[in-house]
Amino acid sequence: DTGVSQDPRHKITKRGQNVTFRCDPISEHNRLYWYRQTLGQGPEFLTYFQNEAQLEKSRLLSDRFSAERPKGSFSTLEIQRTEQGDSAMYLCASSALGQKRYGYTFGSGTRLTVV
Amino acid sequence: AQTVTQSQPEMSVQEAETVTLSCTYDTSESDYYLFWYKQPPSRQMILVIRQEAYKQQNATENRFSVNFQKAAKSFSLKISDSQLGDAAMYFCAYTNDYKLSFGAGTTVTVRA
Repeated sequence: DTGVSQDPRHKITKRGQNVTFRCDPISEHNRLYWYRQTLGQGPEFLTYFQNEAQLEKSRLLSDRFSAERPKGSFSTLEIQRTEQGDSAMYLCASSALGQKRYGYTFGSGTRLTVV
Repeated sequence: AQTVTQSQPEMSVQEAETVTLSCTYDTSESDYYLFWYKQPPSRQMILVIRQEAYKQQNATENRFSVNFQKAAKSFSLKISDSQLGDAAMYFCAYTNDYKLSFGAGTTVTVRA
């Protein structure tokens, strides 16, 4: 297992376009999280999945954002009609149920720039 | 909601010296976990050290150690014998369930 993978690493898009990011968690981890990190700040929680069920969404996740984890494995995060304020690093992380004492394993992130 | 505060935006340390990063948190829970994560520039965030709130003994991982003061809700990180590879942003984080709450981070610069 190579850890948590995110694709793409970088994405530049024009304002108003849609973008989709993918995250492949550690295979035995049933919890998957999306965070957003702006420059010089700590990550902020967006949403999390337990298996295929999306169990919580932050109010930061406007109706332009949607996340899925259709088979309880990889996840996608889509942003529709991107705005300049969406420019940030989008981090994916995973963990195993009942293993909160060990924290998360993070991916390398997808850096989104909206121009 | 739990809040995590890191009051030092930047810290600088001479190679081989010691630096201490501060973190305070706010919670009404008695059972929780605290973490320090390291994020090098343009690289993946990795776990440095963790502390379980019910354990009084401070965690240690090689050159990294914590000073956990539960009553004061304080969780500082000490980096001993600093190395150039320690240069990174360090985040303090808290959880009592599934969600991690992060502080704003402290950028550590190591001078050769």
